[in-house]
Amino acid sequence: NAGVTQTPKFQVLKTGQSMTLQCAQDMNHEYMSWYRQDPGMGLRLIHYSVGAGITDQGEVPNGYNVSRSTTEDFPLRLLSAAPSQTSVYFCASSYSTGAYTFGSGTRLTVV
Amino acid sequence: GQQVMQIPQYQHVQEGEDFTTYCNSSTTLSNIQWYKQRPGGHPVFLIQLVKSGEVKKQKRLTFQFGEAKKNSSLHITATQTTDVGTYFCAGSLYAGNNRKLIWGLGTSLAVNP
Repeated sequence: NAGVTQTPKFQVLKTGQSMTLQCAQDMNHEYMSWYRQDPGMGLRLIHYSVGAGITDQGEVPNGYNVSRSTTEDFPLRLLSAAPSQTSVYFCASSYSTGAYTFGSGTRLTVV
Repeated sequence: GQQVMQIPQYQHVQEGEDFTTYCNSSTTLSNIQWYKQRPGGHPVFLIQLVKSGEVKKQKRLTFQFGEAKKNSSLHITATQTTDVGTYFCAGSLYAGNNRKLIWGLGTSLAVNP
């Protein structure tokens, strides 16, 4: 099925652990983004990419790394998990002037 | 920095009543998009408005983009329980690309049957 695939759907981490959230899209979209969603805070942009090899920071990039080696994949790395990173993470992709297609999300809890 | 204010934050209606959510930007937007997120789900694209004063309809939903391209609204006529969810607006500052959207905080709609 065409769309944005995020894995895992749920994850529990201990403080200080690292992990990678996976995101893949099969629509040949140039743009990909990572958002976190917290109650009352809406969607906040973590990092985004306008094409393979190009990434840039959003409004809340600290504690996260990204890379874009291919058009299809845009993984998000948590370097040393903290309880403040407990959130729902969404990956999204789009053409340059089009609608965003979101993945189903990863629900992350850091204890 | 640039902001998009969205009101109200919450709205409870009886099924059959109308509902409106408003977005106001501190700066002129290139375009504005609207998304719906069902409880426990992910945002789903509804529509994009590009032109000043543009009005678009999707069945019971009417979307407007202000003349100054700083405000927008979503109006639902005769709400149904299937309309439950959070509605987000997202504005783009850059003509020709949507690489960074400015998101409103959303309006959560509850519909009593």
